[in-house]
Amino acid sequence: DAKTTQPPSMDCAEGRAANLPCNHSTISGNEYVYWYRQIHSQGPQYIIHGLKNNETNEMASLIITEDRKSSTLILPHATLRDTAVYYCIVLHQGGSEKLVFGKGMKLTVNP
Amino acid sequence: GAVVSQHPSRVICKSGTSVKIECRSLDFQATTMFWYRQFPKQSLMLMATSNEGSKATYEQGVEKDKFLINHASLTLSTLTVTSAHPEDSSFYICSARRSVDFEAFFGQGTRLTVV
Repeated sequence: DAKTTQPPSMDCAEGRAANLPCNHSTISGNEYVYWYRQIHSQGPQYIIHGLKNNETNEMASLIITEDRKSSTLILPHATLRDTAVYYCIVLHQGGSEKLVFGKGMKLTVNP
Repeated sequence: GAVVSQHPSRVICKSGTSVKIECRSLDFQATTMFWYRQFPKQSLMLMATSNEGSKATYEQGVEKDKFLINHASLTLSTLTVTSAHPEDSSFYICSARRSVDFEAFFGQGTRLTVV
């Protein structure tokens, strides 16, 4: 079962920052927060992951609250190509855990 | 970045025939690979987890005799849909977990249509 909850959908204007929320109130101390996205009819694409510190890479930033019960994925300047379903997943980084997807959140970037 | 190649990307087959889908990690070793199925407008549903050199672990409700999984090497896993029926038509996606750091990467998916 997915351990995260996300709103089903969100709209964002092109060029603006997109802030995608995720709740994971039952996260345990050694579970990471991962974000993937899936553009229509393609395989999921890894975006970013983190444990408790905020993380940034060339695609996005990940802000994790101090209590780790929620996080926000930030796309700083959304483009039309960022329209996709975004999945927030929590799991141990130990190699044995199954990668289970919830329903995700559909982000639509509008021109 | 790590690349997972899935082949074929599209396949149409007749009812009753079998179809094999390949998943290869091109530039890393993958001890574990996952197979998913996705119906339109739904999320990815995990079908099975395969570990190199051992039998796959199937999720509840997935028939192991119908969906044969082989993971014979650290870079290749195959999913064979046997005696395909139209209801098996779906988008099948594989994921390979990199052995060195356990990060998971996904193939581009296979669109299976059974006619």
